[in-house]
Amino acid sequence: ETGVTQSPTHLIKTRGQQVTLRCSSQSGHNTVSWYQQALGQGPQFIFQYYREEENGRGNFPPRFSGLQFPNYSSELNVNALELDDSALYLCASSLTGGIGYTFGSGTRLTVV
Amino acid sequence: QQQVKQSPQSLIVQKGGISIINCAYENTAFDYFPWYQQFPGKGPALLIAIRPDVSEKKEGRFTISFNKSAKQFSLHIMDSQPGDSATYFCAAGRYGQNFVFGPGTRLSVLP
Repeated sequence: ETGVTQSPTHLIKTRGQQVTLRCSSQSGHNTVSWYQQALGQGPQFIFQYYREEENGRGNFPPRFSGLQFPNYSSELNVNALELDDSALYLCASSLTGGIGYTFGSGTRLTVV
Repeated sequence: QQQVKQSPQSLIVQKGGISIINCAYENTAFDYFPWYQQFPGKGPALLIAIRPDVSEKKEGRFTISFNKSAKQFSLHIMDSQPGDSATYFCAAGRYGQNFVFGPGTRLSVLP
């Protein structure tokens, strides 16, 4: 049984660019949630995907968008990057109802 | 109503001592209260969680105490070890949905 894997582990982007982060959910998990963790802060909920549809969203602007694929993997897209978008982006997968909620190791995004 | 407060911000404990971290929530609809442990460069890992129908849950050296009327819960780490040095996050939410996390407590256990 594999855990949650995220790619890339680190990347550096320039302000105004767009970025795509990827997440492969744990085997058997059908729900994916994305969180943003700024340095020294707790994770903040961005959105959740279930059955390829957005199933809940936190207080993030529309330039944060996502996708979930039939194999339950997911992407987080951020357009028009801002310096404040620099953070660790965490993906968590679970079964319906939150069973087995498991985080990946995250992608460290630096915007310069 | 979505905020989760956590204290202290940092904690230094001698090996063998007891580490205590406190959290408070506002939303009375929350019914699931997990604690996560995070090491540098890693994602949070579930440590222990509690539902509001019990006042205490113990797993090994880790105990959650829950006070529903006060909307507070705490993590006690007994016989703290240097390997417990990490950042601890409390969280709260509706079971099966997203969580609201506290700001974290950086624990250092001295050998």
